[in-house]
Amino acid sequence: QITLKEAGPTLVKPTQTLTLTCTFSGFSLSSTGAGVGWIRQPPGKALEWLALIYWNNNHHYSPSLKSRLTITKDTSKNQVVLRLTNMDPVDSATYYCARAALFGAGSVFDSWGQGTLVTVSP
Amino acid sequence: DIQMTQSPSTLSASVGDRVTITCRASQAINTWLAWYQQKPGKAPKLLIYQASSLESGVPSRFSGSGSGTEFTLTISSLEPDDFATYYCQQYNLYWTFGQGTKVELK
Repeated sequence: QITLKEAGPTLVKPTQTLTLTCTFSGFSLSSTGAGVGWIRQPPGKALEWLALIYWNNNHHYSPSLKSRLTITKDTSKNQVVLRLTNMDPVDSATYYCARAALFGAGSVFDSWGQGTLVTVSP
Repeated sequence: DIQMTQSPSTLSASVGDRVTITCRASQAINTWLAWYQQKPGKAPKLLIYQASSLESGVPSRFSGSGSGTEFTLTISSLEPDDFATYYCQQYNLYWTFGQGTKVELK
């Protein structure tokens, strides 16, 4: 059974850096093709992909947020960490981590965490 | 960036109806398209990948079609559990979601 769970602060102040940790089980990030991504969803709005890291440490960032994002992994702990700098109230959202599984030549998010709501406020 | 546009934004339907949701990509994405279902307060659930492949455990009343820039998700006979918001997502170049289609009770 695959599970993922996000952890981090529920409230951050503007200009601070958000650090979120995704702890997962049921798969290994050392297996060829495996990846973990981060997706966020502001209240009442659509999903927005943020970042993804693969088993081989290749990673991708949303072009619109690339300068503010860092994604890293700790394979031994089954964890992936996302950092988003210079937080603003528009970054208030539920942040999800999800497993990225290779289906053919592309990766889709086939298992998701429950999400964690982050509010940005002074 | 590849933009994904879904229509309609909201769809009112009854149990037993056949429902079709359309997703258009701003440039050709082959068949690198997935569909997700999301219920209020819950994480999205993968329904379909590679435009028409049904994820394991997803009921066969869900089907997907299309390639290039135009795709559809069809629910052949709407069940009470299907009232939710549906998102398409391209994975040809990075990952981009559509704005969502809410399927509500008529």
